[in-house]
Amino acid sequence: DGGITQSPKYLFRKEGQNVTLSCEQNLNHDAMYWYRQDPGQGLRLIYYSQIVNDFQKGDIAEGYSVSREKKESFPLTVTSAQKNPTAFYLCASSTPPGGSWKETQYFGPGTRLLVL
Amino acid sequence: GDSVTQMEGPVTLSEEAFLTINCTYTATGYPSLFWYVQYPGEGLQLLLKATKADDKGSNKGFEATYRKETTSFHLEKGSVQVSDSAVYFCALSQGAQKLVFGQGTRLTINP
Repeated sequence: DGGITQSPKYLFRKEGQNVTLSCEQNLNHDAMYWYRQDPGQGLRLIYYSQIVNDFQKGDIAEGYSVSREKKESFPLTVTSAQKNPTAFYLCASSTPPGGSWKETQYFGPGTRLLVL
Repeated sequence: GDSVTQMEGPVTLSEEAFLTINCTYTATGYPSLFWYVQYPGEGLQLLLKATKADDKGSNKGFEATYRKETTSFHLEKGSVQVSDSAVYFCALSQGAQKLVFGQGTRLTINP
């Protein structure tokens, strides 16, 4: 089955620690995205990548970093500079921007990050 | 910048009631519009979408019509079920495939 997987489902971070959230897709999508969801709020874009080895900052990139070395993978690192990391993190992917830019984004099941 | 505004929740209905969740947007140009649904502890699932004015998206008994004149994309269902209980997000996409979300509306259906 094609889809997006995120791991782990729950992640605990200690003060001053960097943690990395995994996102893998086998949909052959070029574009991938990371969103943050806080309770009772909509999703906010952290980073996105439209092609391998290229990515752009979203609306709330401070304290986060990403890499895109493979088409299938788009890991997100929450650094110690992110002072309020507790949230639900969602990864998404979509088809190439060179086609219709109105294509749909498909989401993974999410990772819940908690600070100890 | 672009924005999406949804009706305040939470919304509580009885089974078989008629549902409307209002969504209005502000955008330059001609965005695509989406409704996503999120069940507890899960990611978002696409419910329906519309890519141009007067298009009607539909899925699982839900419908929404892209109204350019009123910049709206209201979600409706004629008869809701307990299994429809979830959080519903309206969103728009315009350029670089970036989605802009509303704040979400929590829907609870009582048997």
